[in-house]
Amino acid sequence: LAKTTQPISMDSYEGQEVNITCSHNNIATNDYITWYQQFPSQGPRFIIQGYKTKVTNEVASLFIPADRKSSTLSLPRVSLSDTAVYYCLVGPPNQAAGNKLTFGGGTRVLVKP
Amino acid sequence: DSGVTQTPKHLITATGQRVTLRCSPRSGDLSVYWYQQSLDQGLQFLIQYYNGEERAKGNILERFSAQQFPDLHSELNLSSLELGDSALYFCASSDSTSGGAVSYTGELFFGEGSRLTVL
Repeated sequence: LAKTTQPISMDSYEGQEVNITCSHNNIATNDYITWYQQFPSQGPRFIIQGYKTKVTNEVASLFIPADRKSSTLSLPRVSLSDTAVYYCLVGPPNQAAGNKLTFGGGTRVLVKP
Repeated sequence: DSGVTQTPKHLITATGQRVTLRCSPRSGDLSVYWYQQSLDQGLQFLIQYYNGEERAKGNILERFSAQQFPDLHSELNLSSLELGDSALYFCASSDSTSGGAVSYTGELFFGEGSRLTVL
């Protein structure tokens, strides 16, 4: 499975846009890119998923270049409640074959007032 | 609510003891993953089961074992516990089945975790 690399931490202020880039140089053809958010002592929860180009939902956007070797999670106008750890995960959608879905170290985002 | 239930939520035990953590996946989900998260650390993949069979194994210690039962719930057994085993243990599920058809998106649904403290 593709190994992922993310910045360890990022600071931002309320109302700003936060962009987190994840590198996944050896992504496979059938891999999708999924981002999760985790608050302290809680299980991670799904934010957004994409395969290529751009995906947008009500909370975030995901930008994936043509070579798919990286992806950028964009959080528009963050608030204090967006302070969390963000993980990118790369892997196939079907789990039947068995996948060591390994999370990287994540990016700790701190939103300041 | 993700639909994934983990019990117990908290567990305090002594070194050398054995504990069992239980995970009930979302209704119909075939795949169960177990992760370990030590304090301020990332999520370490332990093991994956799919429809009762072990499908992938991570850096799971020999003192740890797991299984998935016919009703798709899973248990993680931790034995000869050491201080360093203190952590949050998460399970996640995916790949739902309904009416014989399996649907998957790649999204993992996580439980709220079981916090294990070894004293």
